[in-house]
Amino acid sequence: AQKITQTQPGMFVQEKEAVTLDCTYDTSDQSYGLFWYKQPSSGEMIFLIYQGSYDEQNATEGRYSLNFQKARKSANLVISASQLGDSAMYFCAMRLYNFNKFYFGSGTKLNVKP
Amino acid sequence: NAGVTQTPKFQVLKTGQSMTLQCAQDMNHNSMYWYRQDPGMGLRLIYYSASEGTTDKGEVPNGYNVSRLNKREFSLRLESAAPSQTSVYFCASSERQGGSNQPQHFGDGTRLSIL
Repeated sequence: AQKITQTQPGMFVQEKEAVTLDCTYDTSDQSYGLFWYKQPSSGEMIFLIYQGSYDEQNATEGRYSLNFQKARKSANLVISASQLGDSAMYFCAMRLYNFNKFYFGSGTKLNVKP
Repeated sequence: NAGVTQTPKFQVLKTGQSMTLQCAQDMNHNSMYWYRQDPGMGLRLIYYSASEGTTDKGEVPNGYNVSRLNKREFSLRLESAAPSQTSVYFCASSERQGGSNQPQHFGDGTRLSIL
């Protein structure tokens, strides 16, 4: 069975500092994709970044990067230079390549302090 | 803008009433999904449709039915609403499986309250 674990229900970070949101996953499949989504207080789900299980380099998208450690089955999201607008819920998700289902973690609520 | 459109955005029902949540996507995606999100929690999959003409149960299907009307539209029906179904409902779509790195695209959600 597939499972995503986000162990940090809530986090605080000072504006302009970097923050790491943890995500570990459990699967016996070798082919999968990992995704991070942002959900601001307005409620919409915003796709941030993707990492494939065979990607040799960590994914980066602007201020977002993914610290992918395959052997440890972790896919942590790093946000550099935090902004007030980064305050939101963040969800980690996994998709197996040969299946249509996505598996979501329980989320981490990030608060950026001015 | 292209994307996933959900209607209605808000709805209040009485226990026992029925209603259908509508979802349409214009990205030509094969797969569509319905999730519910309870306060402070993650997403739980209700039903999904890998392609037109197919539907499968997710994690929490009881009390719901779905219809994949065509490639664009995937509706969720509550036959006899219960207070436990008070939640925010999200529809999503994605490309089909097969090495795809495509994420899910989400609608803005339907906030449903059942009294």
